[in-house]
Formats: sequence, C-alpha cells, structure tokens
Amino acid sequence: EAGVTQFPSHSVIEKGQTVTLRCDPISGHDNLYWYRRVMGKEIKFLLHFVKESKQDESGMPNNRFLAERTGGTYSTLKVQPAELEDSGVYFCASSRTGGAQSNSPLHFGNGTRLTVT
Amino acid sequence: AQSVTQLDSHVSVSEGTPVLLRCNYSSSYSPSLFWYVQHPNKGLQLLLKYTSAATLVKGINGFEAEFKKSETSFHLTKPSAHMSDAAEYFCVVRSNYKLSFGAGTTVTVRA
Repeated sequence: EAGVTQFPSHSVIEKGQTVTLRCDPISGHDNLYWYRRVMGKEIKFLLHFVKESKQDESGMPNNRFLAERTGGTYSTLKVQPAELEDSGVYFCASSRTGGAQSNSPLHFGNGTRLTVT
Repeated sequence: AQSVTQLDSHVSVSEGTPVLLRCNYSSSYSPSLFWYVQHPNKGLQLLLKYTSAATLVKGINGFEAEFKKSETSFHLTKPSAHMSDAAEYFCVVRSNYKLSFGAGTTVTVRA
C-alpha cells in the first residue's frame, strides 16, 4: 500500500506570505494527524482529524494556522500570514480506525520542510 | 500528563559494537511506548512498540527495547551497530491518540 504522502517536500516563503501544505493519508485511514518540529525543539502535536471532523486542535499555535480535511480524505494545513517562527518540519500521520485507546500505529509521511525568510 | 525524556542527545558508536539509547517516561498509568527512527530526508518510521504485553519488545533491524516499570525506563538496544543505523531516534509515549515525543537522540556510526 502507498504510504502517507506530503507535498511539497520543501517550501521557502517570505514572511507575510501564505503557504498550504498537503497530506494524503494511507487509503482507509480515518485518523489523520499533523505534527511539527521547529528548529531545536521537540516534535509537537498540532491536531487530529477523525474522517472530516476535527477531534482535537489543541496543539494549533494560533489562528494563523488553518487545517481542513474535506471529504475525509486528504488534508491541508494553511499558514496565513507566515511568520519567521513558523519555520520547521511539518509531519502528517495517519492510522486506522480504532478509537482513543487503539494501538493502531501511526504512519508518518516524510514531512514538509518550511522555511520562512 | 505523560512525557518521555531521552537522556542522550548524541550517541557515537563504532560499527559492530552495541548501541544503547536511553529513555525514561513519566505516566500515571500503564503507558503505550514507542521508538521511532528518522533517517536523513525521510519520514518517521516505527521501530517497535510496547503495549503492556511482553516487557521485552523486538523491533525491526535488530533493535529491541525493554520496559522496566520499576525504573520507568524503555531503553533501546542493538547488539551490533551497522552504518545504516546512523539516524535520529525518538522515544514516544502515547496518551489516547496523541503522541508525546522525546527530544531525540542522534546516532553516528564510525567505520
């Protein structure tokens, strides 16, 4: 089966511009997650979708970040306007249905490296 | 809240020698623990997971980890390092659907 794919792999934008990251989960995976790692910091949870619904967006840093998952398939994460501190690697992951206590492993994509100059 | 602490930010070993990556966790109940690896320009790959079954967990590429509740540890080991093991390794604890990552340990392997 195809893995989690993310696009683009790299993005360099200027402060104030808008960037949209895309994630295609593994087919049939209802759960989709966004994580990010800013320079020198730990990988942090951003949000979790179950199908098209946002289950938890407690990790979203501020209202400049907007995530969508229309139709419960692929997801986009838009940053508008981008700031310097948004630079980092944004990871997407997906897992099968199984509920909150499921042990279904998360499958990660290769990440999108975002650089804001 | 659950968390993990990776005790070493960098580990350097010679090819063919053992590898030990240390991880301590903090959890109010029996945790689900994982080790992930990230090779350069690649995604995060699951090495192994502990989910309250056997305390000694075997993973891919010859890695294994032992869950020790009395020490709140989940150290990752491999008896003989290979050049391809050079990567960054993350100890992870899961609370419901949310993963909490350690800071990562970068492994370099000397020929």
